[in-house]
Amino acid sequence: NAGVTQTPKFRVLKTGQSMTLLCAQDMNHEYMYWYRQDPGMGLRLIHYSVGEGTTAKGEVPDGYNVSRLKKQNFLLGLESAAPSQTSVYFCASSRFTDTQYFGPGTRLTVL
Amino acid sequence: GDSVTQMEGPVTLSEEACLTINCTYTATGYPSLFWYVQYPGEGLQLLLKATKADDKGSNKGFEATYRKETTSFHLEKGSVQVSDSAVYFCALNSGGSNYKLTFGKGTLLTVNP
Repeated sequence: NAGVTQTPKFRVLKTGQSMTLLCAQDMNHEYMYWYRQDPGMGLRLIHYSVGEGTTAKGEVPDGYNVSRLKKQNFLLGLESAAPSQTSVYFCASSRFTDTQYFGPGTRLTVL
Repeated sequence: GDSVTQMEGPVTLSEEACLTINCTYTATGYPSLFWYVQYPGEGLQLLLKATKADDKGSNKGFEATYRKETTSFHLEKGSVQVSDSAVYFCALNSGGSNYKLTFGKGTLLTVNP
């Protein structure tokens, strides 16, 4: 039982490049989330999903897209990366509105 | 809207000292309250939680009591260890069908031998 896993762990992009972050969970959770963590800001919700095939915007969705084609996976895409998107990205999942379980994070630097 | 305010760090203690990290909240309805811990280079782990007023959450020697009258959920430990060095986040979920976790900004704790 791996819990929540994230790929990749680190990535460096140039401004304007695109990439996809993958989150996978093996707990059969319905809800999945993407957060970003910036110094002094705590965690802020980017997008979330309440089930396979559904997605919705969180607090800071601009510049990101998501997809949930399979229940166990939640993808976060950056179509045209900007330096302001330099951050640590965390995925989480939960059984409906119960406790959220977090992945280890992806550290992204945009130059 | 919902909000969480926790004491700003960093907090530096000697081993075996007592710890209190203050957390107060503003929320609609009857929120559940959480403390998450983030060790260096890792993701967040649930440390403890409380789902209703006067509940006490506890884990690994840490405790926090849900105080509705003071809208607080302060984290306490009687004797900290070097291995407790981490960032601690207070968070709330407003409950019902609300999915959203609202986090405080985090408090960095460093424990010296």
